[in-house]
Amino acid sequence: DTEVTQTPKHLVMGMTNKKSLKCEQHMGHRAMYWYKQKAKKPPELMFVYSYEKLSINESVPSRFSPECPNSSLLNLHLHALQPEDSALYLCASNQGGYGYTFGSGTRLTVV
Amino acid sequence: AQSVTQPDIHITVSEGASLELRCNYSYGATPYLFWYVQSPGQGLQLLLKYFSGDTLVQGIKGFEAEFKRSQSSFNLRKPSVHWSDAAEYFCAVGANNAGNMLTFGGGTRLMVKP
Repeated sequence: DTEVTQTPKHLVMGMTNKKSLKCEQHMGHRAMYWYKQKAKKPPELMFVYSYEKLSINESVPSRFSPECPNSSLLNLHLHALQPEDSALYLCASNQGGYGYTFGSGTRLTVV
Repeated sequence: AQSVTQPDIHITVSEGASLELRCNYSYGATPYLFWYVQSPGQGLQLLLKYFSGDTLVQGIKGFEAEFKRSQSSFNLRKPSVHWSDAAEYFCAVGANNAGNMLTFGGGTRLMVKP
C-alpha cells in the first residue's frame, strides 16, 4: 500500500458544527502532516506529527485540533470554523529517504 | 530559513512543444528537492525528486529536472507537452528526514494550446 487515504473527500459544515477529517497510511511512515490549501495558492503547513508527537504547530487557530491516535492515523478536529477556513485540506506522510506522499485531500466548505 | 521561488505564475505552450518550468531555492544545507503536479480539485502527485547523486533526474510522465547547485535551481523540463499536462506545478524543498517540513514555491499554472 503506497497511498495516503483521506476521508471524507468533501465536507460542508456550519459554523457551529463539530466535524473531523481523517487520514490513514500503511507505509510505515513515522511523520504525518496537515496542510491547508486555498484556491490558486500553494499548500501551507499546519501541523507535523513525528513519531506520534506533535512536533510543529504553525500558529494555527485553536478551532483546528490535530490528533494522532497511532502511527497510521491522523485526525483533524474542526469546531466553530469560519467561512475563510474553507479550503482543500491535505494530509501527507514522510519517512526519510522516500519523499513525501500526499492524499487527495478533503474539500471543506464552511457555511 | 528555506524558501522556493517559481518566477513564472502562468505559462502557455503549444501541444508538442518543449517545456521548462523554473525553480530557485534557498536552503542552508544539502537540499532535497521535489516537483509535484496538481490537477484542479485534486491532491498533489510527485513527479520526481532529487536527494543526491546524478544531477539530472527522471520522473514520471516523461518529465525530468536538473539540479544546479551553482545556480540554486531545479528546473523541470519535458521535450514534448501533451494536452493532459495542463495543471498546476509546484516545486518544493525540505530535508527528507521524517518530521521535517516541506516548503513549496508559489506554483506555475501550465496551459496547453491545441
